[in-house]
Formats: sequence, structure tokens, C-alpha cells
Amino acid sequence: GEDVEQSLFLSVREGDSSVINCTYTDSSSTYLYWYKQEPGAGLQLLTYIFSNMDMKQDQRLTVLLNKKDKHLSLRIADTQTGDSAIYFCAESPNSGNTPLVFGKGTRLSVIA
Amino acid sequence: DADVTQTPRNRITKTGKRIMLECSQTKGHDRMYWYRQDPGLGLRLIYYSFDVKDINKGEISDGYSVSRQAQAKFSLSLESAIPNQTALYFCATSAGLAGEETQYFGPGTRLLVL
Repeated sequence: GEDVEQSLFLSVREGDSSVINCTYTDSSSTYLYWYKQEPGAGLQLLTYIFSNMDMKQDQRLTVLLNKKDKHLSLRIADTQTGDSAIYFCAESPNSGNTPLVFGKGTRLSVIA
Repeated sequence: DADVTQTPRNRITKTGKRIMLECSQTKGHDRMYWYRQDPGLGLRLIYYSFDVKDINKGEISDGYSVSRQAQAKFSLSLESAIPNQTALYFCATSAGLAGEETQYFGPGTRLLVL
């Protein structure tokens, strides 16, 4: 079945760039997502990328998609303490006919 | 006002009790989902519904049931709660547009089963 893999932890210093990586399995996924979960809160959509794109930039966030390797990354420039959260990667398998498949989440810790 | 609301936000119950978690949405979405979150295990799908007459089991449906009372309401029941159902439960919705399945999450219900 579909699977989304991401590392569980990442620690960076404030002001550095963070890169969170994700691999997915369904080549028919039309959209790939990044969600952010702050402590005590639900998941919030951070950004998403359509499968015919290689890159998407939104202020401090850059999403890179390598369809050949089924690899997705999220880069956060100038990481701030407020970026400390769990980041979930998700794919939309089966062209959107089945629910999103989420990774287990990467906990980003930002050290001041 | 929040688009996806969950009640209660926190609940403590005892083993063997039946409890219901409720979810309401004002987004007008057809699709609704229930997940549980446990540390280190990420989100696991319990049940989902693509419209009012549609109910589907997810990855971990045993011990749970759902009811889709209306487009806007989707409730999750634990028929006889057990301690390993202690978790954070999330409801989510999506529009179900072709290929685009962005989900919008509620704030979560923290459940403790003693």
C-alpha cells in the first residue's frame, strides 16, 4: 500500500535553514502536502505542491519535488523559535480517490 | 469562528464506558475523517465518509464506530472504551475536488481512558 516516510526529529539553530525530507510511494499522487502541528493544536496546512511542479516558494518556505525519486522536501529559511513544531508530509494517492496518506511527522526543534 | 469544531476538547472516562466524540464543520465539504494521534505513530485513519450515505473503515477501525448525521456532522463512538484508546483524536474535512484532497483539521479531542 501507499507509504510516506520521514525522519522523526530535526534540530537546528535559530537563523539557520531547516530541511525536512519525505519520500512517498504513489506515483499517481497529484498533490503533495506539508502540514504543521504546533504544541496542543491541530494540523494546519502549510503549503502544497502540484505534481507537475518541481519547486514552489512561499516567503521563507521552499518546497522541492523530485518525482523520479518520489522525494519531497520542505526548506525553512531563517528558522525561528516559532517554527518549532511537528511537520507532516502527505500524499494524495489514487488521484484523490482515497484519503491522504500522512507520514509520521518530523519534530523540528529550534535552538536559540 | 473555527470551520471545523470538535466536542468535547478533553474527556476522561473509565474502561467499559461508551463515549461519543462529535465533529461539526461549516466548510460545506462532503468528505469527513476521523484520526487518532499517538506519540511516534503519527496520524492513523479510523473512519472516513465521502458523503452522507458513505462510511468507510480506515486503518484502525476496531473498537470504534461512526455516524454521519448530516453533511456537516460526523461523530465517532467508542462502544466500550479501553485504556489503549487513550489518544488525541482529530476530525478533518475535505472538498473532494478532482485530485486535490486538502484536509482541514479540527483542534482535537484529548481522551484519557482510565
